Amino acid sequence: QTVVTQEPSFSVSPGGTVTLTCGLSSGSVSTGYYPTWYQQTPGQAPRTLIYNTNTRSSGVPDRFSGSILGNKAALTITGAQADDDSDYYCLLYLGGGIWVFGGGTKLTVL
Amino acid sequence: QVQLVQSGAEVKQPGSSVKVSCKASGGSFSSYDISWVRQAPGQGLEWMGRIIPLLGTANFAQKFQGRVTITADKSTSTAYMELSSLRSEDTAVYYCARALDVVVPSPMGVWGKGTTVTVSS
Repeated sequence: QTVVTQEPSFSVSPGGTVTLTCGLSSGSVSTGYYPTWYQQTPGQAPRTLIYNTNTRSSGVPDRFSGSILGNKAALTITGAQADDDSDYYCLLYLGGGIWVFGGGTKLTVL
Repeated sequence: QVQLVQSGAEVKQPGSSVKVSCKASGGSFSSYDISWVRQAPGQGLEWMGRIIPLLGTANFAQKFQGRVTITADKSTSTAYMELSSLRSEDTAVYYCARALDVVVPSPMGVWGKGTTVTVSS
């Protein structure tokens, strides 16, 4: 059973930079897992931020960027703003039409 | 741009089944994956499975194999997710989501607003 790991919580100061990561219980995340990042606020459907590792979805500010850092996928927010205070989920493709989400990171901006 | 409109909230008895619909409007339907994702209260997102309407083929997370059925009606641009043998742990918001691109694999990019399913006796 493949488990996708994310930090349960993180905090960042307004204007600061934060990097959230997305790993695998065994093995390394590569571009072949098509890492995708979503932002979700309470009561709302997820919003697509980054797909195919580092492609920003339409309308997403360039302060959000995606990459592979070491053996994990990463989402970096540069110049965090108050409305970035949200839950962030990564999604990985395991092959054979199967996707799996990470457990999510609750980001606090304060 | 495509919009996904889901059916309304459901309250179900344990052991019963629920069928949620997801109608696409304003865009292409058949060539794009439609996935179903659920979120239990206070919990994270959980991918359940997906269908390619053009082909009618579906894939499922191992956890839901044998308990979930995903179908699509190309004539009405509607996808369906049926979950059987419901238990209290299935209480969740169920989302449908269309892939970003027709090229596979493509992650979920356009989301419905969600359907709340409550399982309670």
